[in-house]
Amino acid sequence: DTEVTQTPKHLVMGMTNKKSLKCEQHMGHRAMYWYKQKAKKPPELMFVYSYEKLSINESVPSRFSPECPNSSLLNLHLHALQPEDSALYLCASSQSRDGPYNEQFFGPGTRLTVL
Amino acid sequence: AQSVTQLDSHVSVSEGTPVLLRCNYSSSYSPSLFWYVQHPNKGLQLLLKYTSAATLVKGINGFEAEFKKSETSFHLTKPSAHMSDAAEYFCVVSDSLAGKSTFGDGTTLTVKP
Repeated sequence: DTEVTQTPKHLVMGMTNKKSLKCEQHMGHRAMYWYKQKAKKPPELMFVYSYEKLSINESVPSRFSPECPNSSLLNLHLHALQPEDSALYLCASSQSRDGPYNEQFFGPGTRLTVL
Repeated sequence: AQSVTQLDSHVSVSEGTPVLLRCNYSSSYSPSLFWYVQHPNKGLQLLLKYTSAATLVKGINGFEAEFKKSETSFHLTKPSAHMSDAAEYFCVVSDSLAGKSTFGDGTTLTVKP
């Protein structure tokens, strides 16, 4: 299985809602990533988990809260978001964070709209 | 510090003609270099990667790239464009010092019939 899956595909939420994005991989990868991508822009790194521990937080606002319950799963909990947080949220995984096997495999993304 | 510059924001070619997407990089350590493709409203797909083995790297769908250390370049080429190649392409650099990847701004490839 060489796939990264993300659910839901689309999410519309109000600014007072709490929701979660889910990402799953079964490739035995030990690094997992969250990216935010606005239209016509490259992905922006948000968080990196390595061996289920948070290793990079790119100064992301606390209204985004990542969680890595096990080596196959990565969640992104959302609370009190702003309309400018509307974007495509991409999850990725790689065999390791560093070294020659760090090519990332991306999921299809969750299209988030904040009203 | 690492950085990557994609020299063209838009490239337009006719179907059946060659494709050249240009990428220059900067890295203070031995870098890994990647090209990814993204079709509209989709995730990113790895086309090819360079990790200090052969300097000419072959990827999927007929794409290849050549690592030139003296020019700090990693340009992506394809001999004959297909309509399905129309997409956004990202050049990415990663080194162990930074511990993370840096994306270029992307190149939009348009293929005319």
